[in-house]
Amino acid sequence: AQSVTQPDIHITVSEGASLELRCNYSYGATPYLFWYVQSPGQGLQLLLKYFSGDTLVQGIKGFEAEFKRSQSSFNLRKPSVHWSDAAEYFCAVGAADKLIFGTGTRLQVFP
Amino acid sequence: ETGVTQSPTHLIKTRGQQVTLRCSSQSGHNTVSWYQQALGQGPQFIFQYYREEENGRGNFPPRFSGLQFPNYSSELNVNALELDDSALYLCASRPGAAEGTQYFGPGTRLLVL
Repeated sequence: AQSVTQPDIHITVSEGASLELRCNYSYGATPYLFWYVQSPGQGLQLLLKYFSGDTLVQGIKGFEAEFKRSQSSFNLRKPSVHWSDAAEYFCAVGAADKLIFGTGTRLQVFP
Repeated sequence: ETGVTQSPTHLIKTRGQQVTLRCSSQSGHNTVSWYQQALGQGPQFIFQYYREEENGRGNFPPRFSGLQFPNYSSELNVNALELDDSALYLCASRPGAAEGTQYFGPGTRLLVL
């Protein structure tokens, strides 16, 4: 069955610290992978996507993610977190007609 | 270029009523998908419309139905509302039925009392 797992429900970091959000997927074929961010009460904004090619992808707001086929992972990273990065982050895998989302990771940033 | 828009932003209904939510897709996008996001959960796929036809559906009952119009805008209709239908309803559009990135609107928050 196709699924996405985000093991960390809630992460807290200090401003300026590095960040890594974990994502594991289960999908039969080569996956299309996405990271979206959602601020409270808002819709989803695309951070970055992986379709093929270079396994390290760059996104907006200084985020990057690395696709590791052997580990079925697509972890999101940022070298230095800003207070404005506090939000809910969703990893998703693209099937033919839909996106399958994880349950999300809530990021809290302390000054 | 106008992004995906949704209306209304908020809605309160009572159990048993019917509701219609609206979505305007991004310019150049002919495919619209609807998702339900319950509180504290990730979005769940309801269905997708491509060129005015439903061409994909998630695990939702028939009382969830939709339409897509010639300008590719879309409606989500929910009949016989239940308390568990309270959620954020997200619309997403993309340039093709099985390709491209999905771009999301701000959502409609529905509260069923």
